[in-house]
Amino acid sequence: GENVEQHPSTLSVQEGDSAVIKCTYSDSASNYFPWYKQELGKGPQLIIDIRSNVGEKKDQRIAVTLNKTAKHFSLHITETQPEDSAVYFCAASKDSSASKIIFGSGTRLSIRP
Amino acid sequence: GAGVSQSPSNKVTEKGKDVELRCDPISGHTALYWYRQSLGQGLEFLIYFQGNSAPDKSGLPSDRFSAERTGGSVSTLTIQRTQQEDSAVYLCASSPRTSGGVHEQFFGPGTRLTVL
Repeated sequence: GENVEQHPSTLSVQEGDSAVIKCTYSDSASNYFPWYKQELGKGPQLIIDIRSNVGEKKDQRIAVTLNKTAKHFSLHITETQPEDSAVYFCAASKDSSASKIIFGSGTRLSIRP
Repeated sequence: GAGVSQSPSNKVTEKGKDVELRCDPISGHTALYWYRQSLGQGLEFLIYFQGNSAPDKSGLPSDRFSAERTGGSVSTLTIQRTQQEDSAVYLCASSPRTSGGVHEQFFGPGTRLTVL
């Protein structure tokens, strides 16, 4: 079945530096790739998503890139701030009503002041 | 507007007891998902409801787990004869998913289940 691998499991960066989280997926038919942020004690929340018809998408300090040939996608956070500290999950799905979304194992991002 | 709500927020039970976890999705959302998140772990898919279609139960870990969604709205996840390894946070999400494709999932705050 579909599998999504996520690296690293933990990441610590200096405030102001950039953070990169990488994911790979196994099902070449996947074409929807969301990223979720989970703060302590809360449910995950969508921060950005990308569909397979584009290679990159940016929203302020957050960007996601997609390489369909290699079946990997990445989350980039620039100018990191303390409030970026959280657990980030990547996910993959086929864009149809019959498909479930498979999540990666998560990355715990810590921003050092 | 109101988001996804789950109850109870915390549940402590004894091994062997049955528990019911409730999820109230966002009104109008046709898709509803249950996930399990063990301490420090990722999101383990359990079950998915989409409209009136048969649910995708492929993630349920054993026949002790079951879920229902009544009237296309509220869902209940039932765990029978609970075991200590069932201890986790159970997350529910809903989505305005249509035949047109995948949409954002809106998560509830979760129910933290502790089996003693």
